[in-house]
Amino acid sequence: DAKTTQPNSMESNEEEPVHLPCNHSTISGTDYIHWYRQLPSQGPEYVIHGLTSNVNNRMASLAIAEDRKSSTLILHRATLRDAAVYYCILNFYHGNNRLAFGKGNQVVVIP
Amino acid sequence: NAGVTQTPKFRILKIGQSMTLQCTQDMNHNYMYWYRQDPGMGLKLIYYSVGAGITDKGEVPNGYNVSRSTTEDFPLRLELAAPSQTSVYFCASSLGTGIAGYEQYFGPGTRLTVT
Repeated sequence: DAKTTQPNSMESNEEEPVHLPCNHSTISGTDYIHWYRQLPSQGPEYVIHGLTSNVNNRMASLAIAEDRKSSTLILHRATLRDAAVYYCILNFYHGNNRLAFGKGNQVVVIP
Repeated sequence: NAGVTQTPKFRILKIGQSMTLQCTQDMNHNYMYWYRQDPGMGLKLIYYSVGAGITDKGEVPNGYNVSRSTTEDFPLRLELAAPSQTSVYFCASSLGTGIAGYEQYFGPGTRLTVT
């Protein structure tokens, strides 16, 4: 399975944008990039996913490099509720979708 | 919709005891998953199911068993609990599967301690 690399942790100021990087240099042509986040003491929740084009939804934006070897999750205006561990995951599909979670990126939001 | 529910929330087991972690989803999802999360780590897949009557092993299946008799329920059985099974267990479900991937919905977790 292709792997992803993320920073262990990041800090952001409240109400400012947050850019969460993810490297996936061994990504294959059909691997979709998925992002989940895990708030303290909760199960993970889906954030966004994409293949090649940049994607937007109500939670975040996903910017994917042209060579697809990296991507960036963008939270446009961080709130205290966005403090969580963010996981960048390459969707592994062999007849079923198995999410391979790494350690993720712990985002701290400073008031 | 309640989504994915798990019981119990917390449990302490003695070494060698057995228990069943319950998971139920009310979204009519075919696919269900069990993950475990050790402190400071990401989630690891234990077992998954693609529909009633069909289950398969994930990354770390040893020491666990599952069954899927209905679409809604996917219980995880621990036989002969060991300290290495101390973890937080998450159940998840998804509508389908495909190259693009489907959003997985997670339950709140069961925190299990084996002493």
